Amino acid sequence: ILNVEQSPQSLHVQEGDSTNFTCSFPSSNFYALHWYRWETAKSPEALFVMTLNGDEKKKGRISATLNTKEGYSYLYIKGSQPEDSATYLCVESLFSGGGADGLTFGKGTHLIIQP
Amino acid sequence: GAGVSQSPSNKVTEKGKDVELRCDPISGHTALYWYRQSLGQGLEFLIYFQGNSAPDKSGLPSDRFSAERTGGSVSTLTIQRTQQEDSAVYLCASSFGRQGNTIYFGEGSWLTVV
Repeated sequence: ILNVEQSPQSLHVQEGDSTNFTCSFPSSNFYALHWYRWETAKSPEALFVMTLNGDEKKKGRISATLNTKEGYSYLYIKGSQPEDSATYLCVESLFSGGGADGLTFGKGTHLIIQP
Repeated sequence: GAGVSQSPSNKVTEKGKDVELRCDPISGHTALYWYRQSLGQGLEFLIYFQGNSAPDKSGLPSDRFSAERTGGSVSTLTIQRTQQEDSAVYLCASSFGRQGNTIYFGEGSWLTVV
């Protein structure tokens, strides 16, 4: 994997259901993995920053896991609510830097919660 | 202010006109980034400022795009002779220091070129 890839690109989920989506990233020179939540016309909001293999972070109904050896992170949302509708961005920070402080953005997963 | 501030929030301009977008980062943040997202596309890196170092301009799509950061604080992104493909939301972000630190985003400047 050469770039940060997120899947699926978009997702429709029924209110109350749980869901998850994936971020795959190059594992060489890995430094940190960020998840952001971006609602239309608002600033992307930081959810998690993870650095260690096996890290698991939780914020309310949202949690994330990190596997740096195989280069993936999962974001889970339990009991989806309409306010969870947003684009979820995954960002990798590389250890040795490079352009833009070594940050590479995925294209996001666009989540729509249907009442 | 408490967060990253961008202006204007919305701008409609005629093709061929110049536009300036402003970003006021969080006080004390040394790193400042400009990204844009066109309809249906992912975030695209434009330019990065870090302290007093020379900016990383590798993402600027053409010589019509330029940016400066005065006094290590406010940044202005200038697009000359705008084209319809420049229509996008332009996001500014800042962070403290390098690598791994949380990046704080502004609400974006929505540019429409007609």
